[in-house]
Amino acid sequence: QQQVKQSPQSLIVQKGGISIINCAYENTAFDYFPWYQQFPGKGPALLIAIRPDVSEKKEGRFTISFNKSAKQFSLHIMDSQPGDSATYFCAATLYNQGGKLIFGQGTELSVKP
Amino acid sequence: DTEVTQTPKHLVMGMTNKKSLKCEQHMGHRAMYWYKQKAKKPPELMFVYSYEKLSINESVPSRFSPECPNSSLLNLHLHALQPEDSALYLCASKLAGTGELFFGEGSRLTVL
Repeated sequence: QQQVKQSPQSLIVQKGGISIINCAYENTAFDYFPWYQQFPGKGPALLIAIRPDVSEKKEGRFTISFNKSAKQFSLHIMDSQPGDSATYFCAATLYNQGGKLIFGQGTELSVKP
Repeated sequence: DTEVTQTPKHLVMGMTNKKSLKCEQHMGHRAMYWYKQKAKKPPELMFVYSYEKLSINESVPSRFSPECPNSSLLNLHLHALQPEDSALYLCASKLAGTGELFFGEGSRLTVL
């Protein structure tokens, strides 16, 4: 019940295309869903996050879509750039508690010029 | 200042050595975390400190010993490690009452 399932494991997109990464969770108590971006040799950096009271959040080229009834959320990267090539992790947790951040398994994104 | 600073960036140690990893943040965050990350895997939680007290230990072997000397500092003491402990060790901090976790760049540990 604590799992977050992420797909695909790897993704290759042409420059200018749309990258889509999907996650599904089981625990309906989760109320905070962040996405982290990690470049090789670096720590994960918070990219964008959503609470379940909204269905979509957009920040620049990055959009989270959230479907509470399906217990699914996804990251869309519009106009993907080679600099977006990184590993992306979705996660879920309880917002105001000091508990665990449950990570998905990660998606390795490669954007080809 | 929105940084979590970790030292050293790289560490090579033998199985009989004692070493420490250090983490510092000046964002006023009262929750601090140690994670371990293997290649191509998500970070795995090791320890959580809340208000300088250990609140979560994810059944980590005793050869890893965390310490939180004050609200800005977090140490991870290492002793008698095994080669399989080689990994990227990440420190993170979080403002109380929020879900936003800020990670440092990590310490790359190699155990020979």
